[in-house]
Amino acid sequence: GDSVTQMEGPVTLSEEAFLTINCTYTATGYPSLFWYVQYPGEGLQLLLKATKADDKGSNKGFEATYRKETTSFHLEKGSVQVSDSAVYFCAPRGSGGGADGLTFGKGTHLIIQP
Amino acid sequence: DAGVIQSPRHEVTEMGQEVTLRCKPISGHNSLFWYRQTMMRGLELLIYFNNNVPIDDSGMPEDRFSAKMPNASFSTLKIQPSEPRDSAVYFCASSAPTGGYGELFFGEGSRLTVL
Repeated sequence: GDSVTQMEGPVTLSEEAFLTINCTYTATGYPSLFWYVQYPGEGLQLLLKATKADDKGSNKGFEATYRKETTSFHLEKGSVQVSDSAVYFCAPRGSGGGADGLTFGKGTHLIIQP
Repeated sequence: DAGVIQSPRHEVTEMGQEVTLRCKPISGHNSLFWYRQTMMRGLELLIYFNNNVPIDDSGMPEDRFSAKMPNASFSTLKIQPSEPRDSAVYFCASSAPTGGYGELFFGEGSRLTVL
């Protein structure tokens, strides 16, 4: 079934730094790929998504490109803000059916310092 | 449009008591998911329903946990009897009929504390 590898962190950066959170996945087919973000005290919400190879998802200055050849979906932002402090979850979904792609793990905890 | 609605937002109870968490999915969504989040284990899938039918409950920790979805607009997660190790944030999520490839929409969560 689908699974994902991403570092847990915490990842601590200074404001205006460049951000990369790596995500690699395993899938038997051709999943859709998602990044979710969870701000303190809230539920997860969709940050961006990509549904086919070489698609780039983008939102709020964040970007990620669906790389089928490397099975990766790395999240990047050119200049982070304190308000980006949150937990980020990479999630492939769809190729295996059933409960594949529905387990999120611990995510990556990002802390941005002023 | 209203998102996924969960209640209560916070629940404090004593060990041995019954706890019922409630969820109203987004209208038109046909899949519903219950998750539990803790620092130690992260976000774990407990059970999910498709068209009101439980599809996979392998994540339900033990018989003290049960979930129902009597209709398309309502689901409950019950813990009876509750134990301190059940303390966590419980999330409900729903998704639209996209053949299993769509995004999940999460509620704000129910924070449970069992003393």
